Amino acid sequence: QVQLVQSGAEVKNPGASLKVSCKASGYTFTGYYIQWVRQAPGQGLEWMGRLDPKSGDARLAQNFQGRVAMTRDTSINTAYMELTSLGSDDTAVYFCARDYSYYGYAFDIWGQGTMVSVSS
Amino acid sequence: DIRMTQSPSSLSASVGDRVTITCRASETINTFLNWYQQKPGKAPNLLIYTASNLRSGVPSRFSGSGSGTDFTLTISNLQPEDIATYYCQQTYKTPRTFGQGTKLEI
Repeated sequence: QVQLVQSGAEVKNPGASLKVSCKASGYTFTGYYIQWVRQAPGQGLEWMGRLDPKSGDARLAQNFQGRVAMTRDTSINTAYMELTSLGSDDTAVYFCARDYSYYGYAFDIWGQGTMVSVSS
Repeated sequence: DIRMTQSPSSLSASVGDRVTITCRASETINTFLNWYQQKPGKAPNLLIYTASNLRSGVPSRFSGSGSGTDFTLTISNLQPEDIATYYCQQTYKTPRTFGQGTKLEI
């Protein structure tokens, strides 16, 4: 079935970097944008950016420019989100999602989320 | 950026009630408005896309309406499994932005 499976939980020290993977299956990986969204504990949803798996082009939210890279490996249908210079306010669950043009670009398939804790 | 404002932030209702959540965009977004349900510890789940289209498999007690800047999500005949937080989202412009969420309690 159509699904996105993310890498497991991470614990990081302040100042470290993080790389989360998002493996797609059940559909044509290069046919749909991958979106990244994070959710701090008890908070709402924050859009981080999107990746076009076909071209590799990424567009980032202003808050994350210079600190986030979104890449992909089409040979294994996997997207990656790398976040550098981690601080305690980066503690959150990170989600990848697919957007679907037929649904007005709504995010129709979501990964299970990757919990990231940043603490010394 | 387009700001999405939901109201109320939280809501308590009873089984069988009709519940309405509103979402207002800071500028017109046509009908590029989506609604998600999120249960604790889970990823959001798309319920309604482009303001009023019910995603396949979503119970018909969920409905959406609106266009321009003002939108509503209605849950008729509220069920215990509807306990969740609901988010609106605009996909008219980048950055995609979400409302702050409405926590529904029964």
